[in-house]
Amino acid sequence: GAVVSQHPSWVICKSGTSVKIECRSLDFQATTMFWYRQFPKKSLMLMATSNEGSKATYEQGVEKDKFLINHASLTLSTLTVTSAHPEDSSFYICSARDPGLLGEQYFGPGTRLTVT
Amino acid sequence: AQKVTQAQTEISVVEKEDVTLDCVYETRDTTYYLFWYKQPPSGELVFLIRRNSFDEQNEISGRYSWNFQKSTSSFNFTITASQVVDSAVYFCALNNYGQNFVFGPGTRLSVLP
Repeated sequence: GAVVSQHPSWVICKSGTSVKIECRSLDFQATTMFWYRQFPKKSLMLMATSNEGSKATYEQGVEKDKFLINHASLTLSTLTVTSAHPEDSSFYICSARDPGLLGEQYFGPGTRLTVT
Repeated sequence: AQKVTQAQTEISVVEKEDVTLDCVYETRDTTYYLFWYKQPPSGELVFLIRRNSFDEQNEISGRYSWNFQKSTSSFNFTITASQVVDSAVYFCALNNYGQNFVFGPGTRLSVLP
């Protein structure tokens, strides 16, 4: 099946710093990618929809100035957590939609962010 | 609005027992897809099944089987002869073509030896 990668798989950063997470579709071009956040022992919640070449659409309650999303190419979307705080510690997962296969989507392996 | 409910938060069974995980969904769409994912401690989502809303046939894959009943908006998942390696969190999810997933709260399954 199609493969989506995320980098890094885990990251620890200090409060106040920024962290960038990459999501790549390795064998197809993804015009749309989605970013989800999962707090410990909770479900996955959609943060934003990332469309190549346009601004991301954020879900209610998600600060767009804090979670910067850039989808500059058909195979790469990045999520930057700016001025990270301990409450941003979470598991971040992206999914990429393959336009050629009935809209099938594939999830990345996730990035575990810990802010100290 | 779309919603997925998994009434069982946690289930514990002894190895070789059968276990059914419940999933009930809500959507106004006439065309949609239902999914089950397994999430082991590593966190990576493991795809188990995708079912089109027009296909109500039950499916069996090895020890796994799924029962889709549109009349009750349910998509239940049964593991037969459970094994310790089945221990994980299982998510039921819903989406429409190309749209984002809506996940249920998850069911944590513990299979004891």
